[in-house]
Amino acid sequence: EVQLVESGGGFVQPGRSLRLSCVASGFTFDDYAMHWVRQAPGKGLEWVSGITWNSGGIAYADSVKGRFTISRDNAKNSLYLQMNSLRTEDMALYYCAKGTTVTYRDPFDHWGQGTLVTVSS
Amino acid sequence: QSVLTQPPSASGTPGQRVTISCSGSSSNIGSNYVYWYQQLPGTAPKLLISRNNQRPSGVPDRFSGSKSGTSASLAISGLRSEDEADYYCAAWDDSLSGVVFGGGTKLTVL
Repeated sequence: EVQLVESGGGFVQPGRSLRLSCVASGFTFDDYAMHWVRQAPGKGLEWVSGITWNSGGIAYADSVKGRFTISRDNAKNSLYLQMNSLRTEDMALYYCAKGTTVTYRDPFDHWGQGTLVTVSS
Repeated sequence: QSVLTQPPSASGTPGQRVTISCSGSSSNIGSNYVYWYQQLPGTAPKLLISRNNQRPSGVPDRFSGSKSGTSASLAISGLRSEDEADYYCAAWDDSLSGVVFGGGTKLTVL
């Protein structure tokens, strides 16, 4: 059974940083691209970033480009999202999601339960 | 404003067939696969349809997907109360170099 467990969310002031983690199990982690998707309270889904199986390709939404950095450690079956210069509009539930192929061009087939990021002064 | 356009709401009575549309452009739906997700209240999204019309194991055959040109549709037949949820379409966008979503459709079972 595929399991994705996010952690690292919390309360942070605007301008500060936060690092999210996702530990994967139940599948061969380095066979798939991985993604971060967020959902602001009461709003729809927004793709944040994706990374190919071997970290050779990375893509970001324009809303986070230059502030967020996605990375993965295949030896640890882990995905990360380093979030810098956080803004109030980054406040959301952040989901880790498993891609369906090695490339981030194909959306997701499994999602974690999410970790909540609250940005407020 | 979402890149993919979905109706904000849809409704039906038990047993009915409901269709949810998803409209895009040549850079997303027109040239890439469409995925559909179901989000029950307070839970994470769940994959319903991949690659336009493929149902993952465990998804009832009451759910079906189709695509034509720059539009896609999700059909739910034999509507049940447990189908009440938010439904999202998604696709890769070649111009934006990212995955784009529809704004979501809230399905109510009357």
